[in-house]
Amino acid sequence: DSGVTQTPKHLITATGQRVTLRCSPRSGDLSVYWYQQSLDQGLQFLIQYYNGEERAKGNILERFSAQQFPDLHSELNLSSLELGDSALYFCASSVGTGRSYGYTFGSGTRLTVV
Amino acid sequence: AQSVTQPDIHITVSEGASLELRCNYSYGATPYLFWYVQSPGQGLQLLLKYFSGDTLVQGIKGFEAEFKRSQSSFNLRKPSVHWSDAAEYFCAVGAWSGGGADGLTFGKGTHLIIQP
Repeated sequence: DSGVTQTPKHLITATGQRVTLRCSPRSGDLSVYWYQQSLDQGLQFLIQYYNGEERAKGNILERFSAQQFPDLHSELNLSSLELGDSALYFCASSVGTGRSYGYTFGSGTRLTVV
Repeated sequence: AQSVTQPDIHITVSEGASLELRCNYSYGATPYLFWYVQSPGQGLQLLLKYFSGDTLVQGIKGFEAEFKRSQSSFNLRKPSVHWSDAAEYFCAVGAWSGGGADGLTFGKGTHLIIQP
């Protein structure tokens, strides 16, 4: 157990729908990162939050959004889902900036869009 | 923009043999480099990281990696592999921008197969 908790572990939904993925960072970690892992694109950085504020955006689609709440958990919202959004979505956390402290990954949420 | 290349998609090694997984990066400044391992159905586990200092970095599970700036490489090595090392291995470089923003750029991964 890495200490980073992601729910749900699996999610199956239809095209056009909206889903929310949840991440609880390791205790004491202020930064949360979201990554998407797909066969086509590999592992891609989506977005970073630090202590409730957005810090960086990677290859995140406009249909996707995220937020970090006062208790530091984060949610990734995916809307107007397409077949190509099927992927494994990882959350990672770090104490401050990951480059100094390293990143701890959760076990992921596998999203299947049908 | 930064990038990471892992030239070998698959590598097959006999149990007990030595291992080297290649990683080349492209980054304009001093890189922060990482190796992660992913077992089937699992998340990513950090094996080791390089920030500065000694270019030979020791990690968990008997792995080590050497940073070679002149070759823009950060190859992962293990002197003797075990069947439990079979997994997907990812090299990553830290991507930094102002204000403490950071995120990792990953290579495509190398799938390690261990032969008995």
